[in-house]
Amino acid sequence: GAVVSQHPSWVICKSGTSVKIECRSLDFQATTMFWYRQFPKQSLMLMATSNEGSKATYEQGVEKDKFLINHASLTLSTLTVTSAHPEDSSFYICSARVGAFYEQYFGPGTRLTVT
Amino acid sequence: GQNIDQPTEMTATEGAIVQINCTYQTSGFNGLFWYQQHAGEAPTFLSYNVLDGLEEKGRFSSFLSRSKGYSYLLLKELQMKDSASYLCAPMDSNYQLIWGAGTKLIIKP
Repeated sequence: GAVVSQHPSWVICKSGTSVKIECRSLDFQATTMFWYRQFPKQSLMLMATSNEGSKATYEQGVEKDKFLINHASLTLSTLTVTSAHPEDSSFYICSARVGAFYEQYFGPGTRLTVT
Repeated sequence: GQNIDQPTEMTATEGAIVQINCTYQTSGFNGLFWYQQHAGEAPTFLSYNVLDGLEEKGRFSSFLSRSKGYSYLLLKELQMKDSASYLCAPMDSNYQLIWGAGTKLIIKP
C-alpha cells in the first residue's frame, strides 16, 4: 500500500517553455501532498504543500506564479513549471502524507533538464 | 531555528554494523522519521519514532531520546545494497518534516 506515482520520470525542455509534472496516489486518497526540489548532493527542499480543493501553500522564496500547483482530486496533484529556465533544472519529487503517523510516501521523482 | 545535524559521510564494511547519529532542534516535536535515499532516486520510508527508546525492524533499528534531541539509526549485517544516503527527519509542531542533507553511507566489500 501507499504507492505514489509520478510522471514523467524525466523531461528535457527548452528555455521558456512550460512543463507539467503529475503526482498520483495509487491505492489511497491523499488530502495533503508535498512538492520538493533537490539539487545534487543537497537536502530536500520543500517547495509547497498541496491540499485537495484549496490553494497550495508555498514556502518562502518559492514563486507561486512560476510553480503552479493544482490538487484537483484526492489522488492527483500537478506541478507546472512555467517559463522554465536552466536554473530550474533539478530533481522534483512529490510525496503524499498518509497514515496515523503522518508519514510521507514519495513518488519516484522527475528529473527536469532545461536547455 | 530548526536544524538537523548528521555526519556527512560514513564508510563501513559489508557484514558489519553501523550507527548513524542525528541531533535535531525543532519548533515542537511530533516524532522523527528515517528515510533511505539511493542516488538518483526518491526517499523511501524506513522508520518512525515518537516515544523514547528503540524500535527494531529487521536489520534496521532506530532509537530516540526526546530530552536530548537525539536519534540514531542502526544497520546490522550490512549489505552492498545498503549504500545510500540516510535522512533523519523530525516532524515539527505543524507536522512538517524538517530535512537535513543526510548521511551518505558507503559500504565496502
